[in-house]
Amino acid sequence: GAVVSQHPSWVICKSGTSVKIECRSLDFQATTMFWYRQFPKQSLMLMATSNEGSKATYEQGVEKDKFLINHASLTLSTLTVTSAHPEDSSFYICSATEADSLGYTQYFGPGTRLTVL
Amino acid sequence: KQEVTQIPAALSVPEGENLVLNCSFTDSAIYNLQWFRQDPGKGLTSLLLIQSSQREQTSGRLNASLDKSSGRSTLYIAASQPGDSATYLCAVASGSRLTFGEGTQLTVNP
Repeated sequence: GAVVSQHPSWVICKSGTSVKIECRSLDFQATTMFWYRQFPKQSLMLMATSNEGSKATYEQGVEKDKFLINHASLTLSTLTVTSAHPEDSSFYICSATEADSLGYTQYFGPGTRLTVL
Repeated sequence: KQEVTQIPAALSVPEGENLVLNCSFTDSAIYNLQWFRQDPGKGLTSLLLIQSSQREQTSGRLNASLDKSSGRSTLYIAASQPGDSATYLCAVASGSRLTFGEGTQLTVNP
């Protein structure tokens, strides 16, 4: 089956630093990758959609200059949280989409826990 | 804009009970509907995916139904076990975009 990995699985950083999270599709080429954020006891909220080689599309209310997304290849997307602050502490989950005959199926990574001190 | 609602928000049952989780969505133009399980602090585990042309899918003790016209789906768990304790998320696909419900937090007591 399709496997998506994320690295790191958890990270702790100081306020003001930048953190990069990687999302990789291991055994398929992802036409589109998505980044979600999940706060404690809440559901997943879509942050942005990225297609390989083009700029990401951000959801309303998500700062594109703070959450930099790069999708340089069909198997790798990165999310950089710039100048992180404690309120950015959250669980970040990526997914990768593979087009099939019936539409689209999203495969999810295991998530990255970010804690900003 | 698609909106997904899950009822109940939390559920606590004794081991062995059969239970039903509900999911409703506002826009019936969907590609598929998916049920996920999420353990605390973990990622998502896909349980069942129902294509828009299907009415139900089964996997072991799990059965998911879909009534696209009324915008509803149910996840039926038979003979619940303590290991089923988790948050269950319903997600609706419109094109390649998924919209998630808030989830149902299930606790199965031994």
